[in-house]
Amino acid sequence: GESVGLHLPTLSVQEGDNSIINCAYSNSASDYFIWYKQESGKGPQFIIDIRSNMDKRQGQRVTVLLNKTVKHLSLQIAATQPGDSAVYFCADANAGNNRKLIWGLGTSLAVNP
Amino acid sequence: EPEVTQTPSHQVTQMGQEVILRCVPISNHLYFYWYRQILGQKVEFLVSFYNNEISEKSEIFDDQFSVERPDGSNFTLKIRSTKLEDSAMYFCASSEIGKLFFGSGTQLSVL
Repeated sequence: GESVGLHLPTLSVQEGDNSIINCAYSNSASDYFIWYKQESGKGPQFIIDIRSNMDKRQGQRVTVLLNKTVKHLSLQIAATQPGDSAVYFCADANAGNNRKLIWGLGTSLAVNP
Repeated sequence: EPEVTQTPSHQVTQMGQEVILRCVPISNHLYFYWYRQILGQKVEFLVSFYNNEISEKSEIFDDQFSVERPDGSNFTLKIRSTKLEDSAMYFCASSEIGKLFFGSGTQLSVL
């Protein structure tokens, strides 16, 4: 079946450093992925998405890289700030036509001041 | 910015009781979803809803669960006879095209 997994459950970085969060997916037919951020006690918040016709997409301080060959994507956060502390999920949004998301387990990012 | 609204934020109930979790999706969205997240685990898909009917449901969404869009704005999840293992954070989401927008969730505790 489909699955999306995170390589590391926790990541600790110093404020100002860059963070890289990795994710692997299993469905080679997947063509749309989304990164969500979830702060404690809140719902998932959209960060950035990418379609399979792209290898890279940049947002404000965030970059998502997609490697379809090895079915891997990553989220890079530049100049990590304390407000970036949260759990980050990648989601496969190509599960049928219903846009049902297949979620990864999540990576907890802790930013040390 | 428009947002998905969920009520209540916390719900405590006795095992075997019925609960209704309420959601107001973003007004121009057409697709609605319920997900849940048991503490420490990944977010799990429950059901998707489009054009006034269920379009897909997971194996979690058994006969004890139902969804309804009773009017033009609300989207509800009903659990008829709650079990201890139903304790989780329940998220409602809606989408127009592509990305889903999530509410802040209802924390359901079944005692």
